[in-house]
Amino acid sequence: TQLLEQSPQFLSIQEGENLTVYCNSSSVFSSLQWYRQEPGEGPVLLVTVVTGGEVKKLKRLTFQFGDARKDSSLHITAAQTGDTGLYLCAGAPDSWGKLQFGAGTQVVVTP
Amino acid sequence: KAGVTQTPRYLIKTRGQQVTLSCSPISGHRSVSWYQQTPGQGLQFLFEYFSETQRNKGNFPGRFSGRQFSNSRSEMNVSTLELGDSALYLCASSGDRGTLSGANVLTFGAGSRLTVL
Repeated sequence: TQLLEQSPQFLSIQEGENLTVYCNSSSVFSSLQWYRQEPGEGPVLLVTVVTGGEVKKLKRLTFQFGDARKDSSLHITAAQTGDTGLYLCAGAPDSWGKLQFGAGTQVVVTP
Repeated sequence: KAGVTQTPRYLIKTRGQQVTLSCSPISGHRSVSWYQQTPGQGLQFLFEYFSETQRNKGNFPGRFSGRQFSNSRSEMNVSTLELGDSALYLCASSGDRGTLSGANVLTFGAGSRLTVL
């Protein structure tokens, strides 16, 4: 059983469309991170959110941390083919705890 | 600065054999974590080492072990390989855990893909 549930598991869209990926849990996290992993590579950190209600923007990507620090979302505006990858959320109960990962959302953006 | 280096990148073993994987963290990072990634289970935490001591451990059998050297390089070993051990093994390094600046910010290597036949 995954501590962090990601939805959807798979998402296929065309260039220019918007998409949202969700990461939910019944547990509270001190911080939550989003990673993107491309084939043949390890995950690469996109953002860390630490405050409930926090919203961070990274170009066309918008990350939100839930007020109760139990959930997060990633929104991509006007997706590009370079956004294709496996998006993983990860959280830890505190700074010393082991980081737990969700199963990931596979995003495919077609031209 | 150089990233996290994992060797070998690919390897094939047969059931019953053992395997050792190596990870060189980013210079100055003292924490090394290992994860197993499979399509069905996602990333599963194996263990974390900090200054040569195992600090956290996941729910894997004793066949999975690791160690960290004084230069922070880490190795993991899997003995008596089973078909289900086929996976991508990822190593990640981070700065000092337990501090706001370094807490849980992982830099991953490209992984070692193990196939057990």
